[in-house]
Amino acid sequence: AQTVTQSQPEMSVQEAETVTLSCTYDTSENNYYLFWYKQPPSRQMILVIRQEAYKQQNATENRFSVNFQKAAKSFSLKISDSQLGDTAMYFCAFMIYSGAGSYQLTFGKGTKLSVIP
Amino acid sequence: DAGVTQSPTHLIKTRGQQVTLRCSPKSGHDTVSWYQQALGQGPQFIFQYYEEEERQRGNFPDRFSGHQFPNYSSELNVNALLLGDSALYLCASSLVGAGEQYFGPGTRLTVT
Repeated sequence: AQTVTQSQPEMSVQEAETVTLSCTYDTSENNYYLFWYKQPPSRQMILVIRQEAYKQQNATENRFSVNFQKAAKSFSLKISDSQLGDTAMYFCAFMIYSGAGSYQLTFGKGTKLSVIP
Repeated sequence: DAGVTQSPTHLIKTRGQQVTLRCSPKSGHDTVSWYQQALGQGPQFIFQYYEEEERQRGNFPDRFSGHQFPNYSSELNVNALLLGDSALYLCASSLVGAGEQYFGPGTRLTVT
């Protein structure tokens, strides 16, 4: 079974500063995806960024980037130039993928991020 | 382009009752997954539907059942409700063969 661990229940960052959220996972699979999802108080789960395990290059989406260390099974999220709208719960998620289609997401327990004005 | 929609937004039921939650996937998507999110926790996978069949199931009892219709929309049914079934129920849609799942706003179920 796959597990996802987020060791930081809560974090805070000053507006315009940079923050890094940690995530580790455990799997014996070799072909998988990793995701970061954001869930603001409105509770809509929003996809922030994704990383395919076979890609060595770290994914980047505007102010969001990841540090993917496959051997260490680590997948951290860096948020640059933090904005008040980044305040939310952030979930790291893992998905085994095969050519037949996508499957279930396994989520961590989340990190509550507060951006302070 | 409409995203994933869910109804109702909120629901209050009594122990022992039955409930049906509904989900319409994002336009062009053919796969629907359901998740249960207890307060303060990450979502837990219930099951996934594709081509009107349950393709994968998480560790949930048979009281949880579902259905997918020819237009790809889906229902989640929970029988004999327990207090512990109180949670946010999330629906996510995807296109078979693609990696991302897109979530709806959820249905908040309270069992009293």
